Parts: sequence; C-alpha cells; structure tokens
Amino acid sequence: DADVTQTPRNRITKTGKRIMLECSQTKGHDRMYWYRQDPGLGLRLIYYSFDVKDINKGEISDGYSVSRQAQAKFSLSLESAIPNQTALYFCATSAGLAVAGDTQYFGPGTRLTVL
Amino acid sequence: GNSVTQMEGPVTLSEEAFLTINCTYTATGYPSLFWYVQYPGEGLQLLLKATKADDKGSNKGFEATYRKETTSFHLEKGSVQVSDSAVYFCALSDRGGNTGKLIFGQGTTLQVKP
Repeated sequence: DADVTQTPRNRITKTGKRIMLECSQTKGHDRMYWYRQDPGLGLRLIYYSFDVKDINKGEISDGYSVSRQAQAKFSLSLESAIPNQTALYFCATSAGLAVAGDTQYFGPGTRLTVL
Repeated sequence: GNSVTQMEGPVTLSEEAFLTINCTYTATGYPSLFWYVQYPGEGLQLLLKATKADDKGSNKGFEATYRKETTSFHLEKGSVQVSDSAVYFCALSDRGGNTGKLIFGQGTTLQVKP
C-alpha cells in the first residue's frame, strides 16, 4: 500500500463550488504539505503543518484553507473554486530536518479542473 | 529570496546518450539540494540529494554534485534509457528557517527515444 494517499485522484467541478481534497499518510511523519503544480511553474507551496496544532501559510494560500484532523490526515479546501485553481495538487510528508535530512514523500496527486 | 532555476525543456535524447540537466540556485545559508523525478501520471519521487557542499548524490545511474562556488547542482547520467523519460525537478530546502519547505525549479521534461 502507498505511504501517502490522496483522494480523489481526479475531480471536475464548477466555479463557486466548495471542494475538499484529502491526504492520508502511514509514514508516521509529523510534517505535511500541500503543493500545486502548474505547467512551467514547478510546484508551489500552499500550506504546511508541523503537527495538529501548527498550520502555516505557504506562498500561495489565498483562496485555500486546510485542516489537520490528525497526525495522519491533512485536508485542503477550496471554499469557492475558480477556474485559475485548475491544477495538479500534491500532498507531501516529511519526518523533520533532524531525522531524515529534509526529504519529502509525495502522494500521487489530485487533478482538479474548475469549469 | 531563495530560488531555483532549471534549464528549459523539453530535452529530447536518443537512448544511450549522455544527459545533463542544469540547475542553479540562490539561497542564504546552506540549503539541502534535491532532484525529484515525476514519471507520467505519478507523483514526485526523490531521485537523489546532497546536504552539504561537495557532496555527490547518486541513484539509478544519475549523479549530481553540490557546488557551492557556482551555486549549482547539475543532474547527469552517462547513458539514458527510454524508461528515464519523465519530468525532473531540482529543489532546495531552506534549512535556516527550520521549516523544511521545498522550493522547486520549473521542471525539465526529458524524452528519450529508442
């Protein structure tokens, strides 16, 4: 079984709808991250969390919110989706700098299309 | 701020050709450097990493050396295979702020033809 899973894998929705993307991990890591990938732009950080009570904005957090329900679960919400949020979204986890040398482990991604 | 710049793609090579994908970075302090690979339809996987100057990361025939003097971390492979076709991302981790955040380059698509 995959260590980092994301649901759904694909989603098509309409402008103005609320969408939640979910991420679960079995690696036992404290740190979790949400990125979006756009062609020619690489990956950009949306939000990150160091534990259930520690959530931080990344470089492109506007229009998004997150919830860390447990150590293993980190959800990303689009409260009112707009077409320029069409992208590939990745969740990632890491053990922390002192443990694993910063390596992050990525889920398979969710392809979101907002019409 | 910190940033990563990769060579423009796509890169198209014949099987067994030599590969270089250039990566340069701007950072304060001493970041860790990474190459991640994304195969079609999949998430990113760590390919190799280096955590200090002059370190060489290697995996699956790929190599990259952390060059502080030129702020570079170029990816190389002596003989590519069709199965190496993927998107390659260079990234750095800002260790100074202890956030573990990764900053990615824009990605370079590699296509290897038989």
